[in-house]
Amino acid sequence: DTAVSQTPKYLVTQMGNDKSIKCEQNLGHDTMYWYKQDSKKFLKIMFSYNNKELIINETVPNRFSPKSPDKAHLNLHINSLELGDSAVYFCASSQASGTQYFGPGTRLTVL
Amino acid sequence: KQEVTQIPAALSVPEGENLVLNCSFTDSAIYNLQWFRQDPGKGLTSLLLIQSSQREQTSGRLNASLDKSSGRSTLYIAASQPGDSATYLCAVVPSGGGNKLTFGTGTQLKVEL
Repeated sequence: DTAVSQTPKYLVTQMGNDKSIKCEQNLGHDTMYWYKQDSKKFLKIMFSYNNKELIINETVPNRFSPKSPDKAHLNLHINSLELGDSAVYFCASSQASGTQYFGPGTRLTVL
Repeated sequence: KQEVTQIPAALSVPEGENLVLNCSFTDSAIYNLQWFRQDPGKGLTSLLLIQSSQREQTSGRLNASLDKSSGRSTLYIAASQPGDSATYLCAVVPSGGGNKLTFGTGTQLKVEL
């Protein structure tokens, strides 16, 4: 009964490829997020969706495209992967402005 | 632009010691402040959330305080245990909505036997 789950846990791919990361939450929350943790362990928000509507879109290359098919899911698609995209990507969810609950992360390695 | 700093970056203490982790932020217009812990290779676990109108929150051996006007928060851990070893992150949400967490740089804590 995992609260926020992500797949895959690890993703190794070549430069130039397109990949997707999936996130699901079973907490009934209305807001979901994507964060990126770089090699120095610094966490930064990328996107946020509320009831399937994009509400936060930080300065992220347009190769990154989030998609929310419903309130419980927020997927992240990345086109034309670059070396600098290597990081750990975390999904999170919250009810309005309450506590955010994080998934276990997806470690993306671009070769 | 909000900047969040945590001092020290790393801390090693013997088991049983009480300790304080510090967090400072540059813009006092916050909605709330949250403390998380992150274990190696794992996600973040929420520890405490302090609303901007509150001064402190307690959960078990953890106590977090907030002084919004000075841009500071502390996380007090009583009677530390080896299981407390982790990276501790503070994060602030700006007032005005959006629930966008701005994270600090983290304090890596090691509690030794």
